[in-house]
Amino acid sequence: NAGVTQTPKFQVLKTGQSMTLQCAQDMNHEYMSWYRQDPGMGLRLIHYSVGAGITDQGEVPNGYNVSRSTTEDFPLRLLSAAPSQTSVYFCASSSGLARGNTIYFGEGSWLTVV
Amino acid sequence: RKEVEQDPGPFNVPEGATVAFNCTYSNSASQSFFWYRQDCRKEPKLLMSVYSSGNEDGRFTAQLNRASQYISLLIRDSKLSDSATYLCVVNSGGYQKVTFGTGTKLQVIP
Repeated sequence: NAGVTQTPKFQVLKTGQSMTLQCAQDMNHEYMSWYRQDPGMGLRLIHYSVGAGITDQGEVPNGYNVSRSTTEDFPLRLLSAAPSQTSVYFCASSSGLARGNTIYFGEGSWLTVV
Repeated sequence: RKEVEQDPGPFNVPEGATVAFNCTYSNSASQSFFWYRQDCRKEPKLLMSVYSSGNEDGRFTAQLNRASQYISLLIRDSKLSDSATYLCVVNSGGYQKVTFGTGTKLQVIP
């Protein structure tokens, strides 16, 4: 019963390095998204996708890229890491947004940029 | 004004107490409402959806007041295991319009 799986769980990057956070879900959900969570800020939407081949920007997209080649996978790429991108990142998926639907989150990726 | 506002707490309550949290939202066109629970260093998990007529799930009761634009969560007979941060989530239409509150921290004390 995997749900949403994201890797790595912890990562330390140097400023300017690039990396990809992986995310996969096995619930056949159309909606997938990436959030970052910072103290006192709440979860903020980075990018989201409503289906394979369709992605769009959220509230804080700068410095990040995404792609959705399959229903299952939604990787997040940091192009050139900056200390401001130090955060906890959550991948999420859902079958919809109406009342009664659930957003399922991965376990989180703790990223530190030095 | 923030789109979704919550008192960050912490609310420190003894076991067995009743505690209530409120969450206010600014967009009167908001369509669906949820409470999520987040344990320390864990992912958020759905606690319950919030229905217009109010809804109950065991010791938890959620209510929506559209006129005053707030939702509430009432926890009765608090358990130590209820200690967590409770996130208010409001959907104002479309995935990009899902807004998470910053959370209210609850600490239940023996």
